Amino acid sequence: DGGITQSPKYLFRKEGQNVTLSCEQNLNHDAMYWYRQDPGQGLRLIYYSQIVNDFQKGDIAEGYSVSREKKESFPLTVTSAQKNPTAFYLCASSIALGERGYTFGSGTRLTVV
Amino acid sequence: ELKVEQNPLFLSMQEGKNYTIYCNYSTTSDRLYWYRQDPGKSLESLFVLLSNGAVKQEGRLMASLDTKARLSTLHITAAVHDLSATYFCAVVDDKIIFGKGTRLHILP
Repeated sequence: DGGITQSPKYLFRKEGQNVTLSCEQNLNHDAMYWYRQDPGQGLRLIYYSQIVNDFQKGDIAEGYSVSREKKESFPLTVTSAQKNPTAFYLCASSIALGERGYTFGSGTRLTVV
Repeated sequence: ELKVEQNPLFLSMQEGKNYTIYCNYSTTSDRLYWYRQDPGKSLESLFVLLSNGAVKQEGRLMASLDTKARLSTLHITAAVHDLSATYFCAVVDDKIIFGKGTRLHILP
């Protein structure tokens, strides 16, 4: 079955560390997105990509980085510059930018220890 | 800048009652989506509304879109406990912008 796989489900980071969250899709979708969700809050866009080797900053890109070397993969790195990274991170994809809604992954819960 | 506002943000209601969640937005978009999120889980697509006047129904939920009023509604009929969740609307501009969500708690 097609879908989006995020890993790991839970991730713990020490202060000053970079961590990378994985997002893989086999839906043949061109567009992929990363969102951050804080408790009781909505979703805020971190980065998005419409095609391979191209990506754009969202509303809260500072302290994050991404790559899109393959159509299927859109990993997110949370760098040490992100001062408050504890949150629930959701990856999504769509056929094209903004088309037909999103398919979401199951999410990664990141906690700073 | 596109703004998407949902209200109410929290709703506690009795089983069997009807209620409506509102989603107002500031752009001229004609595409709007509704999602459901259970606690600690990801988002599940409920409805895709692609034109003015679009109405979609699934079980006890019905969504509609009025692009002239820049308003979408999610109507709940005869609520049951299983519908307790957070509901998000999302509007397409050059990207998809989400509302803050409506946390729905249905009392048995």
